[in-house]
Amino acid sequence: QITLKESGPSLVKPTQTLRLTCTFSGFSLTTRGVGVGWMRQAPGKALECLALIFWDDDKRYSPALQSRLTVTRDTSKNQVVLTMTNMDPVDTGTYYCAHRTVLYSGVWPYDVFDIWGQGAVVTVSS
Amino acid sequence: DIQMTQSPSSLSASVGDRVTIACRPSQIISTYLNWYQQKPGRAPVLLIYGASTLQGGVPSRFSGSGSGTDFTLTITSLQPEDFATYFCQQTYSAPHTFGQGTKVEIK
Repeated sequence: QITLKESGPSLVKPTQTLRLTCTFSGFSLTTRGVGVGWMRQAPGKALECLALIFWDDDKRYSPALQSRLTVTRDTSKNQVVLTMTNMDPVDTGTYYCAHRTVLYSGVWPYDVFDIWGQGAVVTVSS
Repeated sequence: DIQMTQSPSSLSASVGDRVTIACRPSQIISTYLNWYQQKPGRAPVLLIYGASTLQGGVPSRFSGSGSGTDFTLTITSLQPEDFATYFCQQTYSAPHTFGQGTKVEIK
């Protein structure tokens, strides 16, 4: 059974750096095709993809936030860490990590986030 | 980035109703379209991928259709547990953007 859980501070001050940890079980981040993604959702807004780290340590970032984001993994601990610098009140929201895999419809592969963590609420305020 | 537009943003329906939610990307995405369900305070749950393939364990009253720039999620015979917010997501090109969501409420 795959599970993921986000942890980190619930309150950060403007300009500070946010560090969130995703601790997972039920899969290995060294298995080909597997990834862990980070998404966030501001109150009343759409989900937004932030970053994605793959089984081969390849990384992808939201172009709009790339300069502020870093994603790393610790395969021995089954953890993925997201770091976001220079936090602002507009960054307030719920941050999710999710298991990325490829599912097939016939012969066609499709990228999905099939299992999500419960989310971590982050408030940016002085 | 590909913009995803869902309509309506919310709807009221009764148990047993047929519900249809539209999702329109700003450019052609073939069938690289996923649907998720999210209940208040809970994480999103994958319902459909590849525009029309039901994820394992999802009830058959859910169905998806479409390709290109026109997609639909249909719930036949709405059940009490289906009252939630539904999001579409394109995985045609990075970043994999989401629609703003459609909230299905009890009439």
